[in-house]
Amino acid sequence: KAGVTQTPRYLIKTRGQQVTLSCSPISGHRSVSWYQQTPGQGLQFLFEYFSETQRNKGNFPGRFSGRQFSNSRSEMNVSTLELGDSALYLCASRELATSYEQYFGPGTRLTVT
Amino acid sequence: SQKIEQNSEALNIQEGKTATLTCNYTNYSPAYLQWYRQDPGRGPVFLLLIRENEKEKRKERLKVTFDTTLKQSLFHITASQPADSATYLCALLSGSARQLTFGSGTQLTVLP
Repeated sequence: KAGVTQTPRYLIKTRGQQVTLSCSPISGHRSVSWYQQTPGQGLQFLFEYFSETQRNKGNFPGRFSGRQFSNSRSEMNVSTLELGDSALYLCASRELATSYEQYFGPGTRLTVT
Repeated sequence: SQKIEQNSEALNIQEGKTATLTCNYTNYSPAYLQWYRQDPGRGPVFLLLIRENEKEKRKERLKVTFDTTLKQSLFHITASQPADSATYLCALLSGSARQLTFGSGTQLTVLP
């Protein structure tokens, strides 16, 4: 099976802009989680979607939002970008909401200038 | 507040030796603890999961222990190789939360 894919891999945006990142989970996986990784804060959970419903949300401002489509693909949106949003955004999928092993994609490197 | 600490940011060991990485947590009652490996520019890769009622888990050259009294997990790589060089992350899933919380990671370098 193909692994988790994320697009784009690299992105440069300006403060105040918005951005949409995409994630395609492993075929058959219905749960998709998003994480932000920075040198200072490490890997932090953003939110999880399962069967198009948000199941859980981390402690991030409302500028961070996401959605999941019927084919389990997921998008994450960040509005009004700030310099501090520069990070590696990782998506992870798992087969079921009760599965514990997560499969991560390669990430999208977002740079905000 | 809940906290996960991994013993050091960086650990250097000689090839062939056993690498031991530590994960300590406070104010958690984890039901599961996981270890991941992350290489530069890549997403984490799942290695092992251990449940709260398990003391030890093994997979090839990897061994994980879980002591809920000490609130600590130890991750061992025996007969380490330069290819084991990477950042290793521990992650906790508590019974009440439905999200994984990661430690900051330990960067392991195995010297030839």
